[in-house]
Amino acid sequence: EVQLVESGGNLVQPGGSLRLSCAASSFILKNYWMHWVRQTPGKGLVWVSRINPGGSITNYADSVKGRFSISRDYARNTMFLQMNSLRAEDTAIYYCARDVGGEHDIWGQGTMVTVSS
Amino acid sequence: QSVLTQPPSASGTPGQTVTISCSGSSSNIGPNTVYWYQQLPGTAPRLLIYKNNQRPSGVPDRFSGSKSGTSASLAISGLRSDDEADYYCASWDDSLYGVGFGGGTKLTVL
Repeated sequence: EVQLVESGGNLVQPGGSLRLSCAASSFILKNYWMHWVRQTPGKGLVWVSRINPGGSITNYADSVKGRFSISRDYARNTMFLQMNSLRAEDTAIYYCARDVGGEHDIWGQGTMVTVSS
Repeated sequence: QSVLTQPPSASGTPGQTVTISCSGSSSNIGPNTVYWYQQLPGTAPRLLIYKNNQRPSGVPDRFSGSKSGTSASLAISGLRSDDEADYYCASWDDSLYGVGFGGGTKLTVL
């Protein structure tokens, strides 16, 4: 079954760091653009970042630029989101999603990140 | 504040047709295609419509999308109770250089 599984979400203090993982099954991650999208519980979806198949192009939402870094490990068929200098407003469910021609056709189940002292 | 504008709520009775609007601008919907996602309570979003009006396999033809200028809409015909969900529109934004989402519309089937 084609699927994405996120992990790494946790409770972290403001100013702290966390690395999220997104493991792909039954498809080759490096053939696709991949995205991170977040959702504060009870609120809407907000795009965070994307990375191209070759890993050479990355884009970020202004709200996370300079603090978050997206990357991928081809050998592990996994994508990552390194989150530094975390703020309370980064608290959200983080989803990874596959991009085929612009649309996100496969989504993971999400991993919860809580930033609180 | 979301990049695209959707009504926060919509409702209808079983069998009715409901339409959800999505308003954008010349930097997003105007030059780019629109996508719609359905999010059932407690689950991840699911692709419903891509490239303005295309349905992925498995999505019933009760769901249809359209785009005109800088706006788009999602129509759901033959409304069913299990259509109760949040619906989001999305489009690439050339100014933000990222994906813009609408704030979501909560559909209630009365």
